[in-house]
Amino acid sequence: GAVVSQHPSRVICKSGTSVKIECRSLDFQATTMFWYRQFPKQSLMLMATSNEGSKATYEQGVEKDKFLINHASLTLSTLTVTSAHPEDSSFYICSARTGYQETQYFGPGTRLLVL
Amino acid sequence: AQSVTQPDIHITVSEGASLELRCNYSYGATPYLFWYVQSPGQGLQLLLKYFSGDTLVQGIKGFEAEFKRSQSSFNLRKPSVHWSDAAEYFCAAGGTSYGKLTFGQGTILTVHP
Repeated sequence: GAVVSQHPSRVICKSGTSVKIECRSLDFQATTMFWYRQFPKQSLMLMATSNEGSKATYEQGVEKDKFLINHASLTLSTLTVTSAHPEDSSFYICSARTGYQETQYFGPGTRLLVL
Repeated sequence: AQSVTQPDIHITVSEGASLELRCNYSYGATPYLFWYVQSPGQGLQLLLKYFSGDTLVQGIKGFEAEFKRSQSSFNLRKPSVHWSDAAEYFCAAGGTSYGKLTFGQGTILTVHP
């Protein structure tokens, strides 16, 4: 149990285009999902926290207009990187949990390369 | 400020040897503590977690961790390492509002045959 999937696993796009990444909890309902960014050989940096049916809470320094997060259902959250630039290239990982104080389960990650 | 420190960036052990990965935390109260493992290009897999109770926690793949409040530590151990354990290991702490996790810098484990 507690499986989280992400789609796509990797994406290459041109600079200026937008990219959507999906995060799904496959066998449980996720009241909260988290989006992280990981640079090579570095730890995970939390970008935002999203609760189903409400606006995401962004961490300091993360541009909410650039990284659009939608958590429309208890099993799906999406991250849209708008007007992507090469500096947005990174590994994006989502996680999901069932409720407060519950363990976060992580997706396999999405590798984004912006040319 | 809340922080998690993994002092060892890279550890190399021989297959069959014992392993201990260090983790120290700085939190206002006793946090929830986790160890995750990440293989290259993959997401994070939960190895074990500590919320309360018994301070020695058993996890998957033969790993265990011991919570020591006096030392603010949550070190991960395995008595005999297998080549498939080579990966990056992250210690994380949570327990603040909204359940956000603070991650350590990660420790890369290399296993020699």
